[in-house]
Amino acid sequence: DIVLTQSPALAVSLGQRATISCKTNQNVDYYGNSYMHWYQQKPGQQPKLLIYLASNLASGIPARFSGRGSGTDFTLTIDPVEADDTATYYCQQSRNLPWTFGGGTKLELK
Amino acid sequence: QVQLKESGPGLVQPSQTLSLTCTVSGLSLTSNSVSWIRQPPGKGLEWMGVIWSNGGTDYNSAIKSRLSISRDTSKSQVFLKMNSLQTEDTAMYFCAREGEAPFAYWGQGTLVTVSS
Repeated sequence: DIVLTQSPALAVSLGQRATISCKTNQNVDYYGNSYMHWYQQKPGQQPKLLIYLASNLASGIPARFSGRGSGTDFTLTIDPVEADDTATYYCQQSRNLPWTFGGGTKLELK
Repeated sequence: QVQLKESGPGLVQPSQTLSLTCTVSGLSLTSNSVSWIRQPPGKGLEWMGVIWSNGGTDYNSAIKSRLSISRDTSKSQVFLKMNSLQTEDTAMYFCAREGEAPFAYWGQGTLVTVSS
């Protein structure tokens, strides 16, 4: 199985940049695509797709969110951070079955 | 507009079988895959299995022996059945439909508690 590793928590100030990392133990690239996706989950809600294929913004997601990376190293950036961005963020790979998630990074405000 | 809604019993007794339904609106089940994902209270997300647009299935090996996913395309419904439930199966259960990513659209989830 592909294992995804995220830091458990991150604290940033309003208006600053938040960078959330996700590292995998296997390459998730295939024929020019990186099969890495990012989701936001607020308490009591279902997850919401933010970024697909490493760097593509999902429909309706503000341009403050961006993703980059390839191979085994990926980042989700929020710039600038707003109060509504406090949530847990999950990376997820779809390169191989079983599809797997990172453990999640809880974003908090300083 | 794509919508998904999970339904099922909120409480299941240990060793019993869980049956959940995911009703999908806005798109045909024969166009994209639908997965089941669960989340124990306060913990992360676990992909359970998928039913592909052609009706084939794949399961997480950790629970494969206990899990079955099926569908009724005429009713736009996807079903989950998992047997031999234990307390560690207590979780929020989500269904999610493929789009730009495997889990582009999510249902609101249904909480299942395993307890006697």
